[in-house]
Amino acid sequence: QLQLQESGPGLVKASETLSLTCTVSGGSISSSSYHWGWIRQPPGKGLAWIATIYYSGTTYYNPSVKSRVIISIDTSKNQFSLKLGSVTAADTAVYYCARHIVGGTQDFDNWGQGTLVTVSS
Amino acid sequence: QTVVTQEPSFSVSPGGTVTLTCGLSSGSVSTNYYPNWYQQTPGQAPRTLIYSTNFRSSGVPDRFFGSILGNKAALTITGAQADDESDYYCVLYMGSGVWVFGGGTKLTVL
Repeated sequence: QLQLQESGPGLVKASETLSLTCTVSGGSISSSSYHWGWIRQPPGKGLAWIATIYYSGTTYYNPSVKSRVIISIDTSKNQFSLKLGSVTAADTAVYYCARHIVGGTQDFDNWGQGTLVTVSS
Repeated sequence: QTVVTQEPSFSVSPGGTVTLTCGLSSGSVSTNYYPNWYQQTPGQAPRTLIYSTNFRSSGVPDRFFGSILGNKAALTITGAQADDESDYYCVLYMGSGVWVFGGGTKLTVL
């Protein structure tokens, strides 16, 4: 059974860089059938797609955060990561990693439990 | 940037039918946008209900039905139950490697 688990600091200072890792178990991150993505949800608000990556390194970014975000993948560790720079209070959110079916159903079909990241001033 | 619109809230009586919609601030939603629907309960990750407009995800009851109605994607729930009380989100593929979630609909069953 596929499982995704987010990890990283729960508290980040404003203007610094938020770094999160998603560890995938029960399946290979190098599968040609799937991409891997990050979605966030500010407290009490809706979902927002941030970025998606393929095992080959192909990346897709939300234009609204593209200048501050880097998504990367480490197939040897079965992990992918997110870095978000110059954070502000508006970046406080639960961050989810998810398996993303790109080119087919476009579905985010498996999600991690999410991790809350708070940006402090 | 195009905004994906959803009703902020909706209410349905137990056993009733409700249709939630997913539209665009400019233009019409079609199957080419691959509308997907997710259900989220408090403190939980979202789960897929409907993908590619009208395909139910594994284990989703056939009370949930996806379609295109007019210029919007739609999620219809029939025979509403208490545990359908959740937040519902749609996401659309805008092309060029960009996906946009709607603001979500909070469904109350009472």
